[in-house]
Amino acid sequence: KAGVTQTPRYLIKTRGQQVTLSCSPISGHRSVSWYQQTPGQGLQFLFEYFSETQRNKGNFPGRFSGRQFSNSRSEMNVSTLELGDSALYLCASSLAWETDTQYFGPGTRLTVL
Amino acid sequence: EDKVVQSPLSLVVHEGDTVTLNCSYEVTNFRSLLWYKQEKKAPTFLFMLTSSGIEKKSGRLSSILDKKELFSILNITATQTGDSAVYLCAVPNTGNQFYFGTGTSLTVIP
Repeated sequence: KAGVTQTPRYLIKTRGQQVTLSCSPISGHRSVSWYQQTPGQGLQFLFEYFSETQRNKGNFPGRFSGRQFSNSRSEMNVSTLELGDSALYLCASSLAWETDTQYFGPGTRLTVL
Repeated sequence: EDKVVQSPLSLVVHEGDTVTLNCSYEVTNFRSLLWYKQEKKAPTFLFMLTSSGIEKKSGRLSSILDKKELFSILNITATQTGDSAVYLCAVPNTGNQFYFGTGTSLTVIP
């Protein structure tokens, strides 16, 4: 079974731009969660989607948004990029909502200049 | 406020040593605790613990949960250089929001 895939793997943007990241979960998995990982803050939860609905949201500003499609693929969008948005963005998939074993993708390394 | 705290922050040991990593938590309506290993890429799943006092084992790694004292430990025996990584502990709350500790960085010297 293929693992979680994320595209692109690396991205360089400038302040003020917007970016869209993509995540394809493991086949059959319906829940997708997004995390931001920085050296100072560690892994922080952004949001979770299940059956195309956002089930939970972390403490991030409204510039961070996401969606999930009927095939469970998910996208995350960050608008008006700030320098502090530079991070590794990880996506994790699990079988269903409140199924605790999450499997992570390789991440997208976003650098904001 | 829900939180997960890991200690120590970093550890340097020699090959063959045994290490113990700690994770304490305060999370509403606890149901599970997960351990992950992160090398220079995505975290990989190690264990999920739900019941107190029952040890989970995988090779040289083992973990146990104490729900009364709200902590878990991850033991690695006969460490190898390939064990060098950041070990993360995570706990989901009722809403399935996962709280991660900042991790323990383990370096195993040959």
